[in-house]
Amino acid sequence: DIVMTQSPDSLAVSLGETATINCKSSQSVLYRSNNKNYINWYQQKPGQPPRLLISWASTRESGVPDRFSGSGSGTDFTLTISSLQAEDVAVYYCQQYYNTPLSFGGGTKVEIK
Amino acid sequence: QVQLVQSGAEMKKPGSSVKVSCKASGGSISSNAISWVRRAPGQGLDWMGGVVPIYGTPNYAPKFRGRLTITTDESTNSAFMELSSLTSEDTAVYYCARGRQLVVEDACDVWGQGTLVTVSS
Repeated sequence: DIVMTQSPDSLAVSLGETATINCKSSQSVLYRSNNKNYINWYQQKPGQPPRLLISWASTRESGVPDRFSGSGSGTDFTLTISSLQAEDVAVYYCQQYYNTPLSFGGGTKVEIK
Repeated sequence: QVQLVQSGAEMKKPGSSVKVSCKASGGSISSNAISWVRRAPGQGLDWMGGVVPIYGTPNYAPKFRGRLTITTDESTNSAFMELSSLTSEDTAVYYCARGRQLVVEDACDVWGQGTLVTVSS
């Protein structure tokens, strides 16, 4: 099974500054045949279901602000939130869908400093 | 736009079973994969299993195999998650979620609102 490790567990960022969340998989999630990384990023706010932000490690979903960006390949991935807004306070999860069982990182709680 | 509406909160005794439903509106439950994910208090998201309704055979995470059953019913346009031999550690919010394609190994872009299951004596 693929283990996903996120860091940090939480971070506090000033409004307008940049938040950076890291995610590491225990094995590569890059399919050589299509050169795609099977990584999603989700945002979850209190009392709400998760929201898909980014798939294929770097492809933003429709309607997701462009201050959210994903990068990385192989085993190391990053979610960057540029110019943090108050509405970005949430827990963020990476997930691998390279194979089953699908697995999530432990989550990173983003707060306003 | 497809929406997923889940059944209401449940209170269960240890050792019993719970069955949560997930009804699709605005589209067919059979058009995409369906996954079940839970979040226990103070914990992160945990993928339980998934199914592609037209193929039929569910795929369960090893930790739930043997006590988890995922089914779908085209006549009611619904998916179901049944978990047996409940313990207090199964207290969580349970979500159904739709994959974008006919494979379980995919992103989930539509989620149910969640169902709180509380296991307590």
